[in-house]
Amino acid sequence: GQQVMQIPQYQHVQEGEDFTTYCNSSTTLSNIQWYKQRPGGHPVFLIQLVKSGEVKKQKRLTFQFGEAKKNSSLHITATQTTDVGTYFCAGPVSWGQNFVFGPGTRLSVLP
Amino acid sequence: GAGVSQTPSNKVTEKGKYVELRCDPISGHTALYWYRQSLGQGPEFLIYFQGTGAADDSGLPNDRFFAVRPEGSVSTLKIQRTERGDSAVYLCASSLGQAGDEQYFGPGTRLTVT
Repeated sequence: GQQVMQIPQYQHVQEGEDFTTYCNSSTTLSNIQWYKQRPGGHPVFLIQLVKSGEVKKQKRLTFQFGEAKKNSSLHITATQTTDVGTYFCAGPVSWGQNFVFGPGTRLSVLP
Repeated sequence: GAGVSQTPSNKVTEKGKYVELRCDPISGHTALYWYRQSLGQGPEFLIYFQGTGAADDSGLPNDRFFAVRPEGSVSTLKIQRTERGDSAVYLCASSLGQAGDEQYFGPGTRLTVT
């Protein structure tokens, strides 16, 4: 079945360092979404990418959708302690109307 | 405005019992999803409603799990003969209309089967 993978599983950074998480799908995606889940919280939508090669920015966050629409990345510049949490990518399955979430990348930021 | 709400926030039940988990989506959202999340993992899709009908229930693990949304708003996830492996956080999300729209998640119900 369709799989969505993310690397790394964990990332520990010093505050001020950059962070990148990568998302890879076994099949082409029509779109991809990114969510953030704080410890003890629920996933919160960050952004959706639709077009091949698309790049979107939200302040210190930069999101990319690969040319083949099978991979995506989230880059955070100059991390802050408020960036702590788990970042998930999610894409619609090709045969249904549900979403497959990746396993997430857990980010820890040391002050 | 009000977000997605879920009740109860915590549920402890004995193995073999029946449980119902409730989700109140954002008013006007026609799409509703149920997910299950175990510790350290991403949300696992269970079922997707578009209006009153289950448009995709391919994620329900077995026939002990069932969900309804009779009036196109509130949804109930029902689990029969609970097993310890059912312990997880059950998340509900709603979105405006299309399957690919932004999903708004509720706080979840933490189910513990003893």
